[in-house]
Amino acid sequence: DVVMTQSPLSLPVTLGQPASISCRSSQSLVHSDGSTYLNWFQQRPGQSPRRLIYNVSNRDSGVPDRFSGSGSGTDFTLKISRVEAEDVGVYYCMQGTHWPPWTFGQGTKVEIK
Amino acid sequence: QVQLVESGGGVVQPGRSLRLSCAASGFTFSSYAMHWVRQAPVKGLEWVAVISTDGSYKFYADSVKGRFTISRDNSKNTLYLQMNSLRGEDTAVYYCAKDSSADYWGQGTLVTVSS
Repeated sequence: DVVMTQSPLSLPVTLGQPASISCRSSQSLVHSDGSTYLNWFQQRPGQSPRRLIYNVSNRDSGVPDRFSGSGSGTDFTLKISRVEAEDVGVYYCMQGTHWPPWTFGQGTKVEIK
Repeated sequence: QVQLVESGGGVVQPGRSLRLSCAASGFTFSSYAMHWVRQAPVKGLEWVAVISTDGSYKFYADSVKGRFTISRDNSKNTLYLQMNSLRGEDTAVYYCAKDSSADYWGQGTLVTVSS
């Protein structure tokens, strides 16, 4: 199975400041069809996961443009340009290239300083 | 809009069984593979199982293989997870998720395995 490793696991951020989360996979996530199936999810306290980004860099409908995804191969990043209070929660990367199974990162907890 | 509503969770003794349901609406259910994902208390996300559009293929996590069975009824727009021989480590919130892109998730249903 593909192992997904996130860092940091805890990320205290000042309101209005940027934040960045790294996700690395144990093997390339480039599918034989040429796509890279790397998603990012946000899980606010007490809520179910919500997909923010799919296929590395595509924002889902309704996701603020302060969220962006980038990367290729085995290294990926989620960036929040200016953190707002509603961004508090846990963020997960997930690979859907080599499935089953889907595999997830351990999660990064974003909190306000 | 897309809605996924899980039900069937509860408290169950070790070794007993439980069946979860996921009622889908707002999309053509029969056109999408469906997944179950679980989250143990204060833990991360763990994929559990997937079923193809017509139920012809199913895959399971090693941790549940032989004990859990995923199924679907496309006439009822409903996904199921039959969980047998439950263990304490199966305690988790169980989510259903749409499609291999995981674009929509339900709100989850809590399963607690305890004597």
